[in-house]
Amino acid sequence: GAVVSQHPSWVICKSGTSVKIECRSLDFQATTMFWYRQFPKQSLMLMATSNEGSKATYEQGVEKDKFLINHASLTLSTLTVTSAHPEDSSFYICSAREMENYGYTFGSGTRLTVV
Amino acid sequence: KQEVTQIPAALSVPEGENLVLNCSFTDSAIYNLQWFRQDPGKGLTSLLLIQSSQREQTSGRLNASLDKSSGRSTLYIAASQPGDSATYLCAVLLGSFQKLVFGTGTRLLVSP
Repeated sequence: GAVVSQHPSWVICKSGTSVKIECRSLDFQATTMFWYRQFPKQSLMLMATSNEGSKATYEQGVEKDKFLINHASLTLSTLTVTSAHPEDSSFYICSAREMENYGYTFGSGTRLTVV
Repeated sequence: KQEVTQIPAALSVPEGENLVLNCSFTDSAIYNLQWFRQDPGKGLTSLLLIQSSQREQTSGRLNASLDKSSGRSTLYIAASQPGDSATYLCAVLLGSFQKLVFGTGTRLLVSP
C-alpha cells in the first residue's frame, strides 16, 4: 500500500530558530499533500494544502509567513516553522493519497518542542 | 459547516468484548468516510474506507457501516484485544478534491 514518510520524528529547537519537516510519498506521486497540527488529546486540525508547483493554500488563522510550505516535486513537501516559539510546540502530521478514490495515508508525525 | 462528532469520547472494556464506536456528521453530502487508528505519539493508520455509495466495509475483526441519510457511521470491533487500545478517529471527505474533516476521537482502552 501507499507509504508516506515523515522526518524527523521529533525535534527540539531553541526559540527564534527555524525547523524544517519533510513529507515524502515513497511509492506514489502526490500532486497534493496536507499538513495537520495536533495538540495533546485533541483531534487533527488542517493547517494547509500543499500543491505541487504552486503556492500552498492555508486555512483560516494559519500564518503563511510562519509556516512555509514548499512542494517542489511530486514526492516531497516540506513545512518550515520559522522563528519558532514555545507556542508552536505541537505534533505535526502530513498526509497524501495515491489516487482519487483511495483513502488518505498519513506520515508518522513530527513532535516539535520549542524551548 | 461540516461537524463530525464521535461518541463515546473514551471507552474502557475488558478483553474479549465486542464494541461499537459511533461517528456522526452534520452534512450528509460526503464523498467518503475513513476510520483511522492513532497510537500515542504516532501518526494515523487507516483502518477502513467507505465510499459514499457503500453501506459497509470489513477488515478482519473490524466492520464499519455508513448511513449517509442519517449522517452516521459505526465501527464495530469484535473480540477486542489489549492491542486494540488506541484513539480511533473518523473523518469525512466532502468532495473528491476537498479536505478531510476529522471527528473528535474515541480513546479506547482494552484491559487484559
